[in-house]
Amino acid sequence: QVQLQQWGAGLLKPSETLSLTCVVSGSPFNGYYWTWIRQPPGKGLEWIGEINQGGSTNYNPSLKSRVTISMETSKSQVSLNLSSVTAADTAVYYCARMTQLWFPFFDYWAQGTLVTVSS
Amino acid sequence: DIQVTQSPSSLSASVGDRVTISCRASQTISSSLNWYQQQPGRAPKLLIYGASSLQSGVPSRFSGSGSGTDFTLTISSLQPEDFATYYCQQSYSTPRTFGQGTKVEIK
Repeated sequence: QVQLQQWGAGLLKPSETLSLTCVVSGSPFNGYYWTWIRQPPGKGLEWIGEINQGGSTNYNPSLKSRVTISMETSKSQVSLNLSSVTAADTAVYYCARMTQLWFPFFDYWAQGTLVTVSS
Repeated sequence: DIQVTQSPSSLSASVGDRVTISCRASQTISSSLNWYQQQPGRAPKLLIYGASSLQSGVPSRFSGSGSGTDFTLTISSLQPEDFATYYCQQSYSTPRTFGQGTKVEIK
């Protein structure tokens, strides 16, 4: 059974760095893209970026200057760092597995972490 | 970036109703369009991938159609557990973008 479990700090001050980690179990780590997506309270979903087994990354241009996604294959972990946060970064953050058959899709999601940015 | 526009943003329906939600992409995306269901306080759940393929374990009352720029999610007979918010998402190119969501409420 594929499970994604994530953790990280839930309350940050403006200008701090958001750090979240997601650990994968029940799934090969290689062969998939590992993705971060966020959802501000009461709003829609925003794709943050992804990393593949080779360590190649793609980021949302709107966040690219502040985002780093990394992975530690030996631990089946993927991490998200988002620097210089503001109140606009307050959201539930999800990690998700992206499977690519003929078309990519997000088939497994973690439970989500609410990150609040407030002074 | 490819923009994805859903309509309507919300709808009211009764148990047993047939419901359709539309999604339009700002440029052609072949069949690279997915649908998700999100219950309050929960992570999204994949329903349909590749525009029309039903994800394993998803009831057959859910179906998807379309290609190019216009896509539809249909719920053939709405059940109590289907009241939720639905999102379409394009995976044709990065950034991978989502529609703004359609909230399905009880009439």
